[in-house]
Amino acid sequence: QKEVEQDPGPLSVPEGAIVSLNCTYSNSAFQYFMWYRQYSRKGPELLMYTYSSGNKEDGRFTAQVDKSSKYISLFIRDSQPSDSATYLCAMSPDNYGQNFVFGPGTRLSVLP
Amino acid sequence: ETGVTQSPTHLIKTRGQQVTLRCSSQSGHNTVSWYQQALGQGPQFIFQYYREEENGRGNFPPRFSGLQFPNYSSELNVNALELDDSALYLCASSLDLAGVPKNIQYFGAGTRLSVL
Repeated sequence: QKEVEQDPGPLSVPEGAIVSLNCTYSNSAFQYFMWYRQYSRKGPELLMYTYSSGNKEDGRFTAQVDKSSKYISLFIRDSQPSDSATYLCAMSPDNYGQNFVFGPGTRLSVLP
Repeated sequence: ETGVTQSPTHLIKTRGQQVTLRCSSQSGHNTVSWYQQALGQGPQFIFQYYREEENGRGNFPPRFSGLQFPNYSSELNVNALELDDSALYLCASSLDLAGVPKNIQYFGAGTRLSVL
């Protein structure tokens, strides 16, 4: 079992749909959880950064963390074609910026 | 754009050769981390540099080495290239300062290395 698993995709949705992206993990030491968006031929861009369990909202994006289930989600409301990208979850047991474990990514296509 | 720049964009090498990749961090950022991203995978942490010293290392062999310069720019060197070293190499900069989460990192666009 990999330390962080992510829905493999690819995922195609119509414009305006609500998108749910999910990751599961096995290491209960993870405390910090991040979602990145990576466009083709670009580096990852940080979307959401959360600590411990709970929800965090930023515009059309909502991140949820359920540490008891070792499950995190990213919801995108009113999805746009510009949201088409690969979404990576990442997590870390600490805040030293060295011990990230990334998921393999889910490729999302939002169709006009 | 994050302000993190990497060069070159693409590189083709043959097995056994050596390669140097370069990164300029975002203005004011004093910490640089390097990652390897294989096709279809998430990035894997190689090492981190702070104050010109290696400040942490992932599960990569010693033939992966680095430098950080006084202006905080950085190099990644890989010796004795192997076919499996073909990947996108990403540099990320961050600010090591009290009260600033060190997990907040800004990535460059990467260098795509192909080893033949």
